[in-house]
Amino acid sequence: AQTVTQSQPEMSVQEAETVTLSCTYDTSESNYYLFWYKQPPSRQMILVIRQEAYKQQNATENRFSVNFQKAAKSFSLKISDSQLGDTAMYFCAFMKPVLVGNMLTFGGGTRLMVKP
Amino acid sequence: DVKVTQSSRYLVKRTGEKVFLECVQDMDHENMFWYRQDPGLGLRLIYFSYDVKMKEKGDIPEGYSVSREKKERFSLILESASTNQTSMYLCASSLREAGPSSSTDTQYFGPGTRLTVL
Repeated sequence: AQTVTQSQPEMSVQEAETVTLSCTYDTSESNYYLFWYKQPPSRQMILVIRQEAYKQQNATENRFSVNFQKAAKSFSLKISDSQLGDTAMYFCAFMKPVLVGNMLTFGGGTRLMVKP
Repeated sequence: DVKVTQSSRYLVKRTGEKVFLECVQDMDHENMFWYRQDPGLGLRLIYFSYDVKMKEKGDIPEGYSVSREKKERFSLILESASTNQTSMYLCASSLREAGPSSSTDTQYFGPGTRLTVL
């Protein structure tokens, strides 16, 4: 079974600065996907960024980028130029592709507050 | 835009009551999921379904059952609600297979139902 650990329950950052959220996972699989999901206060969870394990290049989506270290089983999220709208719970998630289901295993979450 | 809706945002029930949580998606997704979200524990999978009338247990199925009679609708049932089932419940849906495109495996979430069992 896979496990996902987010060691930072809460973080804060000043607007316009950069922050990095940590995620480590444990698996014996070689092919898998990793995700960061964002859950703003009282709003729906949305996908921020995804990474295929077979790709060495780190994924980027505008101000969001990841540092994927496969050997270390680490998948951190960097948010550049933080904005007030980035305030949210952030969840790291692991998925092993299978024939049916494609279930996600989530970490415990990191609550990020962006301060003006 | 993918839309996943849940029948209630807030629900208060009494211990022993039968509780139905409904989820509807409009994107013809094969997979549907029920999670519960608790502080510090993240999201934990209760059940999922990969087709009509098909269901599989997740990590914490005890005390819950599900029903999927139509492709777009996935119901979570608490046969006899207990106080330890007080939680936020999230429904999600996705296409059947993971693949090279982010649209094929991304899970789309509903707004959640905050259930309180007294």
